[in-house]
Amino acid sequence: SQKIEQNSEALNIQEGKTATLTCNYTNYSPAYLQWYRQDPGRGPVFLLLIRENEKEKRKERLKVTFDTTLKQSLFHITASQPADSATYLCAQPQASGGSYIPTFGRGTSLIVHP
Amino acid sequence: EAGVTQSPTHLIKTRGQQATLRCSPISGHTSVYWYQQALGLGLQFLLWYDEGEERNRGNFPPRFSGRQFPNYSSELNVNALELEDSALYLCASSLRETLFTEAFFGQGTRLTVV
Repeated sequence: SQKIEQNSEALNIQEGKTATLTCNYTNYSPAYLQWYRQDPGRGPVFLLLIRENEKEKRKERLKVTFDTTLKQSLFHITASQPADSATYLCAQPQASGGSYIPTFGRGTSLIVHP
Repeated sequence: EAGVTQSPTHLIKTRGQQATLRCSPISGHTSVYWYQQALGLGLQFLLWYDEGEERNRGNFPPRFSGRQFPNYSSELNVNALELEDSALYLCASSLRETLFTEAFFGQGTRLTVV
């Protein structure tokens, strides 16, 4: 079955640097990938969606890429700030019982140091 | 406009008891998704309801059940609670036609089983 893999180790970076988070998947390429931000004890907040025919998507300081050959999506935060510290989740639809179920990776914790 | 609301925010139950969690979707959204997020783990898909019907179900035992009401709000019931059921339970809603491409999460219900 499809697996979504995110780096389980926390990413520590200095304020102002670019943070790059990775989401790898096995088997088939999904129709789209999503990235969410989750703060401790809170529900995920949707950030960006990128479709399989899109190579790159941007929103303010955020950029997402989707490489169907590498079966990988990269999530970048430029000019990172301590307020960007959170867990970032990637998600994709997976076939299940005749429909598609949104399936999440475990997330990568980002810590931005002042 | 109000977002997805979940109640209660915290719930403490004894092993063997039943828990009922509630979710009110964003106005106009007909799809409701339930997820379990145990400590240190990713979001695990539980149930998907749309237009009052259960559309899909994750790999959870039958003691996890739910329903969706005519106003599209939803309940998640967990019977015969076990200690491992302690987790953050998240609800998300979306328009039927957008499925999960535009989904919004509530803040979750923290269930603690003692």
